[in-house]
Amino acid sequence: GAGVSQSPSNKVTEKGKDVELRCDPISGHTALYWYRQSLGQGLEFLIYFQGNSAPDKSGLPSDRFSAERTGGSVSTLTIQRTQQEDSAVYLCASSLQRFSSYGYTFGSGTRLTVV
Amino acid sequence: AQTVTQSQPEMSVQEAETVTLSCTYDTSESNYYLFWYKQPPSRQMILVIRQEAYKQQNATENRFSVNFQKAAKSFSLKISDSQLGDTAMYFCAFMKETSGSRLTFGEGTQLTVNP
Repeated sequence: GAGVSQSPSNKVTEKGKDVELRCDPISGHTALYWYRQSLGQGLEFLIYFQGNSAPDKSGLPSDRFSAERTGGSVSTLTIQRTQQEDSAVYLCASSLQRFSSYGYTFGSGTRLTVV
Repeated sequence: AQTVTQSQPEMSVQEAETVTLSCTYDTSESNYYLFWYKQPPSRQMILVIRQEAYKQQNATENRFSVNFQKAAKSFSLKISDSQLGDTAMYFCAFMKETSGSRLTFGEGTQLTVNP
C-alpha cells in the first residue's frame, strides 16, 4: 500500500477483554515498530521486528502484551485481559531497511479505550 | 540510555510570526540522528526535519530550521512565517546510529497558531 495502515482506527473494549490491533506496513519494508502513546505523553517503544529475525520485545510493559508478524508483512499486537491503564493510542511504523537514518513512516494509530 | 526532554508543554504564536521549540537530549553516543516530528489531530506522525550529528551545518526545510548545538546537546526547531496548518503536537526524537535502533521521543510540545 501507499502508507502504513492500521486497524481499527478506534476501539472501545471492556476491562478484562482481549483486543487485537493490526498493522499493515508499506510493501517491502522489512522493519516494523510498535509504539504506545498515552494521553499527553510522548511515544513509548513496545516492540521491533526486522525481517525473519527474533523480535526485540524489550519495550513490552507486561506479559499481557504480545505481537507477531506473519510472513514478514502484517503485524498484530494483542493485549490480553485489558486494563484501564492500557488506554492509549497505539502507533505502528515501518522502514525499508534495518537501519533508516530517515526515521520511519508511521500509521495513524489505533485509539484504544478500556472502560 | 538516551533521554529527550521538551520543556515546553504548550506554545502559541500568531500567524506569520516565528516560533522556536526547545529540545535537549542526553546521550553518550558520538554518532546519532535527531528528528522533529509533527502530529496533527489525524494522529499520523509526520517527519518535519532531521539532523545528522556529525554534520555541523544546521538542517533547513523551507520554513523549518534547527539550531543544533552538539556540545550543549540541544536541538531546537524554528518555524518561520507560521501558518494555521502548523498547529499540531511536535515531538523531538533521537536515534542511535546502529541497526534496529528505536526512536526515543520527548514528551511533545503542543503548538497553536492563532489567526
